[in-house]
Amino acid sequence: EIVMTQSPATLSVSPGERATLSCRASQSVSSNLAWYQQKPGQAPRLLIYGASTRATGIPARFSGSGSGTEFTLTIISLQAEDFAVYYCQQYNNWYTFGQGTKLEIK
Amino acid sequence: VQLVQSETEVKKPGDSLKISCKGSGYSFTRYWIGWVRQIPGKGLEWMGIIYPGDSDTRFSPSFQGQVTLSADRSINTAYLQWRSLKASDTAIYYCVRLSGSGSFFVFDYWGQGTLVTVSS
Repeated sequence: EIVMTQSPATLSVSPGERATLSCRASQSVSSNLAWYQQKPGQAPRLLIYGASTRATGIPARFSGSGSGTEFTLTIISLQAEDFAVYYCQQYNNWYTFGQGTKLEIK
Repeated sequence: VQLVQSETEVKKPGDSLKISCKGSGYSFTRYWIGWVRQIPGKGLEWMGIIYPGDSDTRFSPSFQGQVTLSADRSINTAYLQWRSLKASDTAIYYCVRLSGSGSFFVFDYWGQGTLVTVSS
């Protein structure tokens, strides 16, 4: 099983600033990496797939990068609605998720 | 595209249960449907997938033999079923639509989740 490790567990950032979230795979997943956002009491929502392609309706302030084993989700100009938990997921060999990064208001 | 799941369930250990996920707004038989478990306050775990077109199923090793997946094409509904619930099955269960190409699929739409509580 491919293990996904996210860091940090919690990230405190001020509104309007930039957030950088990391995700590492235990073996190469090529670009088969997705990011999901989950707000309290809601289902997760697909943000990014193919490591860097935004899903339909996702604002341009969200961007993804990386390939192989190292990936990054960057959110610029943080808005109030962006504070949530973010999960990375590999879909190169079935499906496994990272443990999540909680993005909180500083 | 919408996935609408059945309501909250409260069960006792040893009970059986079948929860549902009704798809609309797309061709139900042409997309895999998956199930994801989330223990309250914890992360996401993929359980298994089913192709409603022919009921082909695949399971995560962690859930193989623990649950059953099925689908009724006539009513665009997928199901997740347990024969004998345990307290450790307490979680929110999400159904998801898989979208992609070849062997690589992402979970592009999610149901609202069904909370299953198992307690004596």
